[in-house]
Amino acid sequence: EVQLVESGGGLVQPGRSLRLSCAASGFTFDDYAMHWVRQAPGKGLEWVSGISWNSGSIGYADSVKGRFTISRDNAKNSLYLQMNSLRAEDTALYYCAKDVRTTVTPVDAFDIWGQGTMVTVSS
Amino acid sequence: QSALTQPASVSGSPGQSITISCTGTSSDVGGYNYVSWYQQHPGKAPKLMIYEVSNRPSGVSNRFSGSKSGNTASLTISGLQAEDEADYYCSSYTSSSTLLFGGGTKLTVL
Repeated sequence: EVQLVESGGGLVQPGRSLRLSCAASGFTFDDYAMHWVRQAPGKGLEWVSGISWNSGSIGYADSVKGRFTISRDNAKNSLYLQMNSLRAEDTALYYCAKDVRTTVTPVDAFDIWGQGTMVTVSS
Repeated sequence: QSALTQPASVSGSPGQSITISCTGTSSDVGGYNYVSWYQQHPGKAPKLMIYEVSNRPSGVSNRFSGSKSGNTASLTISGLQAEDEADYYCSSYTSSSTLLFGGGTKLTVL
């Protein structure tokens, strides 16, 4: 079964850090680009970051650039998001998503999504 | 960058057709054929319905179709069914090498 399972979310104070993980199964992980997409409570979708199949190309939304770092370990079929200097506006459900392509230029479409992990930034 | 512009809500009766628009600029929707549409039911993850303007993934009903003209993309759902009631989001690749989503449209089946 094709599956993405996110973990690592939780309640964190403003200014602190959190690391999200996404475990992939059921497809050849290192054949595809991967992304993080978030959704604040009651709000729409926001692309956060993407990484190509070999980590050679990475992109970030302006809202997280310089604070978040995306990475992947193809040997472990895993995607990560290191989130530093967290702000209240980073509070959201964070989805891991599989691209239909190997690269992030262009960012194309996401055909597999996880169920998300909730991040709440609050004092 | 501002979100792509979608109507907040649309509605239709079973069996009817509806169209949801997604308006951007020449730096996103108008400049690339990398427009996608996602369906999201409450409490669920988004589901890809259309990619690269008009392509349907395997398993998606042919009642769903996509098109683009200039800076505006459209999703059309024909033969509306109760299970189509959901939120719909468009997305587009941008000249900044990022992805932009629309604000979302709530579809109500009357």
